[in-house]
Amino acid sequence: DGGITQSPKYLFRKEGQNVTLSCEQNLNHDAMYWYRQDPGQGLRLIYYSQIVNDFQKGDIAEGYSVSREKKESFPLTVTSAQKNPTAFYLCASSPGRAYSNQPQHFGDGTRLSIL
Amino acid sequence: AQTVTQSQPEMSVQEAETVTLSCTYDTSESDYYLFWYKQPPSRQMILVIRQEAYKQQNATENRFSVNFQKAAKSFSLKISDSQLGDAAMYFCAYRSERTPLVFGKGTRLSVIA
Repeated sequence: DGGITQSPKYLFRKEGQNVTLSCEQNLNHDAMYWYRQDPGQGLRLIYYSQIVNDFQKGDIAEGYSVSREKKESFPLTVTSAQKNPTAFYLCASSPGRAYSNQPQHFGDGTRLSIL
Repeated sequence: AQTVTQSQPEMSVQEAETVTLSCTYDTSESDYYLFWYKQPPSRQMILVIRQEAYKQQNATENRFSVNFQKAAKSFSLKISDSQLGDAAMYFCAYRSERTPLVFGKGTRLSVIA
């Protein structure tokens, strides 16, 4: 079955350490997204990509970086510059462009915590 | 910037009854799309229903329907014959040709047996 795979499910980061969250999709979708979810905050967009080797900042990109070297992969790196990284991170994808009417499909998420 | 407001942080409904979740949004655009997503305790985001702004007819998916009032910028979700499995966080979301998906803060729905 096609879908989005996020790994790991749980991740712990030490102070000053960069960590990378994986997101892989086999839906042949062009657009991919990263969201952060905090309690009472809903989902906030970190980065999105509409095509390989291209991506745009969302509302809360500071302290994060992404790459899109392959259509099916969109890893998110949480850098040491992100001072409050503890959150639930969701990856999503959609066919066509990021602004189309096609709904986004979501992965199961990664819970990141600080040690 | 476009904003989405869900004014009810929590709602509850008796099993088999009907409940309506509210959503309002702010935009100056005329063409856009609206969505309701469900997030159960498993945390997976599931699309419930979607509406194109140019369509006057309200979308319906089985027990789920919307009341889309474009002039009032309102997009409420009605759940009929509520079931225990409907208990979840519900998020309203907005999208347009110039804006990727923007979410409201969510409404937590409890279903009472």
